[in-house]
Amino acid sequence: DQQVKQNSPSLSVQEGRISILNCDYTNSMFDYFLWYKKYPAEGPTFLISISSIKDKNEDGRFTVFLNKSAKHLSLHIVPSQPGDSAVYFCAASAHSGAGSYQLTFGKGTKLSVIP
Amino acid sequence: GAVVSQHPSWVICKSGTSVKIECRSLDFQATTMFWYRQFPKQSLMLMATSNEGSKATYEQGVEKDKFLINHASLTLSTLTVTSAHPEDSSFYICSARGRAGATYEQYFGPGTRLTVT
Repeated sequence: DQQVKQNSPSLSVQEGRISILNCDYTNSMFDYFLWYKKYPAEGPTFLISISSIKDKNEDGRFTVFLNKSAKHLSLHIVPSQPGDSAVYFCAASAHSGAGSYQLTFGKGTKLSVIP
Repeated sequence: GAVVSQHPSWVICKSGTSVKIECRSLDFQATTMFWYRQFPKQSLMLMATSNEGSKATYEQGVEKDKFLINHASLTLSTLTVTSAHPEDSSFYICSARGRAGATYEQYFGPGTRLTVT
């Protein structure tokens, strides 16, 4: 059972416009959410995160929104740039008793920003 | 800061041989390291979690005798794929979480592409 879902495998956006990547989760124990960006044959790079006590976190062109009641989060990139073209992974974590802070990843959304 | 390296970046080996992949945290002490595996067009699947000086905790379905993990120091973890088979061909990524600072953030290595012929 997939606990973190990214239902759109790909997204194409024109340069300068807004990119919206969506993520849904099923585990109500998740209390921290992260977005990672990944280029082919490279490891993921941390982008932005949000705690469950917040509903919005902004960092430059990147904003993450969290809707706990809907178990939904989204990443907004504005304005989109060609260099943003990559696979974006949504990840979630629950504070376990072991404190290992394991991340559960979605399958990723491939973003293509068209010049 | 928070740089994680992996070596080698790619390796080709023959079926039946063993391969060791190293993961190092270069500028911080990693109390916990994670090993992931990624299949083409798939998500990152957590294989195991290791804490320095203790045995790794393997996820369900991961053979601990096949994927040997050693977290000998606060800056080094190794994954050894023993008696590799073609189905073990994959992209292996490690990540590390430091002693202090953000507790939920993991910093990822660049990955190792393993091809078993």
